[in-house]
Amino acid sequence: KAGVTQTPRYLIKTRGQQVTLSCSPISGHRSVSWYQQTPGQGLQFLFEYFSETQRNKGNFPGRFSGRQFSNSRSEMNVSTLELGDSALYLCASSLESATNEKLFFGSGTQLSVL
Amino acid sequence: GENVEQHPSTLSVQEGDSAVIKCTYSDSASNYFPWYKQELGKRPQLIIDIRSNVGEKKDQRIAVTLNKTAKHFSLHITETQPEDSAVYFCAASIGWGSGDKLTFGTGTRLAVRP
Repeated sequence: KAGVTQTPRYLIKTRGQQVTLSCSPISGHRSVSWYQQTPGQGLQFLFEYFSETQRNKGNFPGRFSGRQFSNSRSEMNVSTLELGDSALYLCASSLESATNEKLFFGSGTQLSVL
Repeated sequence: GENVEQHPSTLSVQEGDSAVIKCTYSDSASNYFPWYKQELGKRPQLIIDIRSNVGEKKDQRIAVTLNKTAKHFSLHITETQPEDSAVYFCAASIGWGSGDKLTFGTGTRLAVRP
């Protein structure tokens, strides 16, 4: 099976712009979760989608949003970018849940906000 | 919400020695405790996980112990090898239900000296 695929691999944006990141889960996986990774802060949970519905949400402002399609592919959107949004954004897929089973991570999208 | 603290932030050991990383969690309802390894420039990968009905779990050179009373769990790596050099993240979650999320520690950078 193909692994979790994230596109694009790198993004450079300026403050105030918006960005959309994409994640294709492993075939058969229905849960997709997103994480922000920054040096010193580790991995911070953004949200989880299951069956096209947001199941859980982390402590991020409303500028961060996402969605999931019927084929389980997911997108994450960040509007009105701020310098502090520069980070590696990882998505992970799992069979049913992001909180009690193995997560398979993608390679991430490295976002730089200038 | 759940808070996971991880220590030490950096750890350097001689090849062949043991390494121990400790994490504490705040929510006594947490039931699922995975450990992820992230090599430089690569995606995190699950190396071992434990659930609250088990006190210890081993997989070759890796073991995890859980003390629910004290709310802490530890990763033990024996006979360390250079390929064990990576950042290790612990995490905790309740493991079910709406509003649950996987909370990660801030990571431990392990360096194994040849």
